[in-house]
Amino acid sequence: QVQPVQSGAEVRKPGSSVKVSCKASGGSLSTYNIIWVRQAPGQGLEWMGRIIPMLNIANYAERFQGRVTITADTSTNTAYMKLSSLRYEDTAVYYCAVGGQAWGQGTLVTVSS
Amino acid sequence: DIVMTQSPDSLAVSLGERATINCKSSQSVLNSSNNKNYLAWYQQKPGQPPKLLIYWASSRESGVPDRFSGSGSGTDFTLTISSLQAEDVAVYYCHQFYSIPLTFGGGTKVEIK
Repeated sequence: QVQPVQSGAEVRKPGSSVKVSCKASGGSLSTYNIIWVRQAPGQGLEWMGRIIPMLNIANYAERFQGRVTITADTSTNTAYMKLSSLRYEDTAVYYCAVGGQAWGQGTLVTVSS
Repeated sequence: DIVMTQSPDSLAVSLGERATINCKSSQSVLNSSNNKNYLAWYQQKPGQPPKLLIYWASSRESGVPDRFSGSGSGTDFTLTISSLQAEDVAVYYCHQFYSIPLTFGGGTKVEIK
């Protein structure tokens, strides 16, 4: 059973970028869709985008277009989410999920000056 | 975009009693070619990632207690907890994976009365 493990917490300044990784163990990432979801403090779940590693196709939520890039490296079984031009309101826990079933533990990204 | 509207925002139920959460989508999430509703339910406890409970609107994920059930089709869906247990205190989200952008409901907080 595939289980994703995410990279650790990050602190970034406004205007910078952050790249979060999601490494899958117990199976091949290329078999699944990988989605990225974020959750601001005390808020609900917000879909950011997804990648189909086998086809190398990525789709993004319109509100993140131009700021988010989702990639996958099948050789290392790792997916990545890069968010640029960070704002204070991007402070959130970022999750990857494999096939909608197995979720990573979450990565807290804090944007602070 | 398909908007997912959950109700109520919160509910308090006595231990052993039934809890019912509703979810309405702004467009049908039923794929007529395979007769499947692209609708899932997640449970999220504080400090944890979401956990998949139900997919295809009514299929229970492996290991999920049978007190959890999902029903509905098209645009109207329900998650039922037949006999609330203390460990069921959480926020529950419906999620459509029928079309991009994928979207989540706003969440329903379930507490013990």
